[in-house]
Amino acid sequence: AQTVTQSQPEMSVQEAETVTLSCTYDTSESDYYLFWYKQPPSRQMILVIRQEAYKQQNATENRFSVNFQKAAKSFSLKISDSQLGDAAMYFCALASIQGAQKLVFGQGTRLTINP
Amino acid sequence: EADIYQTPRYLVIGTGKKITLECSQTMGHDKMYWYQQDPGMELHLIHYSYGVNSTEKGDLSSESTVSRIRTEHFPLTLESARPSHTSQYLCASSPGTGRPGGANVLTFGAGSRLTVL
Repeated sequence: AQTVTQSQPEMSVQEAETVTLSCTYDTSESDYYLFWYKQPPSRQMILVIRQEAYKQQNATENRFSVNFQKAAKSFSLKISDSQLGDAAMYFCALASIQGAQKLVFGQGTRLTINP
Repeated sequence: EADIYQTPRYLVIGTGKKITLECSQTMGHDKMYWYQQDPGMELHLIHYSYGVNSTEKGDLSSESTVSRIRTEHFPLTLESARPSHTSQYLCASSPGTGRPGGANVLTFGAGSRLTVL
């Protein structure tokens, strides 16, 4: 079975600073996708960043980047220059390449941005 | 703007009532999913569909049922609601094929928050 663990229920950061959210996972597959999703309060879940396991280069999307350590099964999200709009629940997720491609989510990390 | 629509956004009903949560997507995606999000915010897959006339149970057992008669529509039904069904229900969809990238990216609806009294 695939599992995803986010060990930080809550994090806070000062506006304009950098914060890193942790995620570890377990899977028996050699190829898979990893994701970070963002869920703002009472709003729709949206994709932040995506990483394919066979790609060694860490994905980046503007202020968001990941540190993907395949051997350690670790997938952390770094948010640079934090903005008030970054406040949300962040979910790490894992999906198989084949089959139903079901996403398995972590427990979530609530990120607060302090002005 | 959302390409996947859920109605109602909020529903408060009494025990024993039958309810249907609607989910429609305009992207032509083959795969659709229902997730249940508990008060602690964890998400659990309760149903998914590969395409028309295909439905499967998810990882979390649920008393709800789903149907997929049309590609764009994936409603969830509770025949007799109970307080234990109080939760947020998220519908999502994704393209049906494997690589290239984008196949595993789920697009989520805004959610239906159900309260059963």
